[in-house]
Amino acid sequence: QSVLTQPPSVSAAPGQKVTISCSGSSSNIGNNYVSWYQQFPGTAPKLLIYENNKRPSGIPDRFSGSKSGTSATLGITGLQTGDEADYYCGTWDSSLSAGVFGGGTKLTVL
Amino acid sequence: EVQLVESGGGLVQPGGSLRLSCAASGFTFSDYEMNWVRQAPGKGLEWVSYSSNSGSAMYYADSVRGRFTISRDNAKNSLYLQMNSLRAEDTAVYFCAREGYGGNQFFDYWGQGTLVTVSS
Repeated sequence: QSVLTQPPSVSAAPGQKVTISCSGSSSNIGNNYVSWYQQFPGTAPKLLIYENNKRPSGIPDRFSGSKSGTSATLGITGLQTGDEADYYCGTWDSSLSAGVFGGGTKLTVL
Repeated sequence: EVQLVESGGGLVQPGGSLRLSCAASGFTFSDYEMNWVRQAPGKGLEWVSYSSNSGSAMYYADSVRGRFTISRDNAKNSLYLQMNSLRAEDTAVYFCAREGYGGNQFFDYWGQGTLVTVSS
């Protein structure tokens, strides 16, 4: 059972938009920055979004992040088949004094 | 180019020990906080441990506290994870991950991972 809650799967058609939610509490998302990672099978995760809504160099602006209260959202527009991957949210939990991740969301581009 | 290369994984019996290493290059290692993150087969990411840039501050997940010890040698640009009293549930790919500058708990670079299998 992960501290952060994500939907197990989402799907959408190529060219469409999808959002992935990440729900937490005041001890984690509510008072700390959220980051998002993309992971393809058999590879290391890749940073997509940091500090809630910032994109590292090289990440296209099709990817966006937002946070409101104790929830965060990853948005992906102009979906491509190459976006099919697992997506994870992460943050720090001040009560646990530990890093925490969501359980991951598998994106299918139909 | 930033590179993180893990090593030291393998097959170990329950109750055994293993020491993982992460060799860093392409950046000033002593300036960055570092973490270990693991992923059990077919499962999601699980944060394991954190080290401040000096090594003076460390944090652990409840699941490994008291059994695992994180350390670093800034002179050798290396991060370590000493794992004792290993259990079957510790079986996972272990990644070392650099924390982004500023310490806002995001991981901007990851190694390729090293597989630890705990089985008799």
